[in-house]
Amino acid sequence: DAEITQSPRHKITETGRQVTLACHQTWNHNNMFWYRQDLGHGLRLIHYSYGVQDTNKGEVSDGYSVSRSNTEDLPLTLESAASSQTSVYFCASRELRNTEAFFGQGTRLTVV
Amino acid sequence: AQKVTQAQTEISVVEKEDVTLDCVYETRDTTYYLFWYKQPPSGELVFLIRRNSFDEQNEISGRYSWNFQKSTSSFNFTITASQVVDSAVYFCALSEALGGTSYGKLTFGQGTILTVHP
Repeated sequence: DAEITQSPRHKITETGRQVTLACHQTWNHNNMFWYRQDLGHGLRLIHYSYGVQDTNKGEVSDGYSVSRSNTEDLPLTLESAASSQTSVYFCASRELRNTEAFFGQGTRLTVV
Repeated sequence: AQKVTQAQTEISVVEKEDVTLDCVYETRDTTYYLFWYKQPPSGELVFLIRRNSFDEQNEISGRYSWNFQKSTSSFNFTITASQVVDSAVYFCALSEALGGTSYGKLTFGQGTILTVHP
């Protein structure tokens, strides 16, 4: 069965370190998204991609970057982790036929 | 810009009560999609329903029903005879239609925490 997986599921890192969260989907979807979930804010869009070599900033992109070298993967990098980036991160993908977005299991990141 | 508002931060009910979760949205698009997702305590996001802007028919699926009213920009979700397993965070979301330069991004509401007590 096709799926979307995130790794790691949990991570603790120190302030200032670079961190990369992986997202891999086997749906062959062109559209991929990264969201962060914080209490009181719901899910907010960090970055998104329409396909290979395409990346775009979402509403809370400061301090984050993504790259898209193939259809399956959209890794999210925190260049210099800050305590404000402690959150739960969700990756999602969606196909062109306006179906629902499929979400990964989430990554809980703690920056200490 | 698109916006979704779920005014109810937390709702607490006793099992078997009916409960309605409100969702109000804003968009300039004439074609758009509305969604509800459930996030149980285990943390994953579970898709419940998708509705496009041209289809205002209400939908019922078992104990779940959805009322879409374009006139009031609302897409409310009702759980009939609630059960403890319904306890979760529920998100309403809005998406532009995919196609052309649209990426089909989802804009989420803040979520409503539903607690069903036995």
